[in-house]
Amino acid sequence: DTGVSQDPRHKITKRGQNVTFRCDPISEHNRLYWYRQTLGQGPEFLTYFQNEAQLEKSRLLSDRFSAERPKGSFSTLEIQRTEQGDSAMYLCASSLLTGVGYTEAFFGQGTRLTVV
Amino acid sequence: AQRVTQPEKLLSVFKGAPVELKCNYSYSGSPELFWYVQYSRQRLQLLLRHISRESIKGFTADLNKGETSFHLKKPFAQEEDSAMYYCALSSNFGNEKLTFGTGTRLTIIP
Repeated sequence: DTGVSQDPRHKITKRGQNVTFRCDPISEHNRLYWYRQTLGQGPEFLTYFQNEAQLEKSRLLSDRFSAERPKGSFSTLEIQRTEQGDSAMYLCASSLLTGVGYTEAFFGQGTRLTVV
Repeated sequence: AQRVTQPEKLLSVFKGAPVELKCNYSYSGSPELFWYVQYSRQRLQLLLRHISRESIKGFTADLNKGETSFHLKKPFAQEEDSAMYYCALSSNFGNEKLTFGTGTRLTIIP
């Protein structure tokens, strides 16, 4: 599968623990996005990268959340001191921005986080 | 602030009947509008975007700036159209950050 891949697919953690998710975008894509989706809602934007630079963060991204894309390839999303309200599907997407526009965003299958 | 509203959480339509999924938006500039679809146990994928003006899988959507709507239509529903549909919006400044609606689950009754 040459699409966007996310790991793990499922994560169950105890409240207060730290978790880290990984996203591997489509190889030539320079933009990478993180979204969060809770039950009954559409995906909500968290943050995005242009290559290795994090260009925007949503107000949803509290200081317990941190995202990195160190070499402009894969990205990690870490949640520290997890809370039950962090339980959600975390989606990654990538796209290619060129001088004339951008491709559609391709989504991964997501990481489902359950905080118990 | 930008917002996308999909008023129907659930929609059931008989096979062969017309389908219309409603989407309204609010945005101060000139947005780009999209429809994304998620079939059972598959990832979210783009169905169509308004700037391409294409018909995909028989679906079309017209951007109506006066009514701030981007309704998705298909004249004859097929069973394989059963899925979750999300309307989404982004600014037209090259920032592809998407604002999604809450989605409509479409069920086609055989």
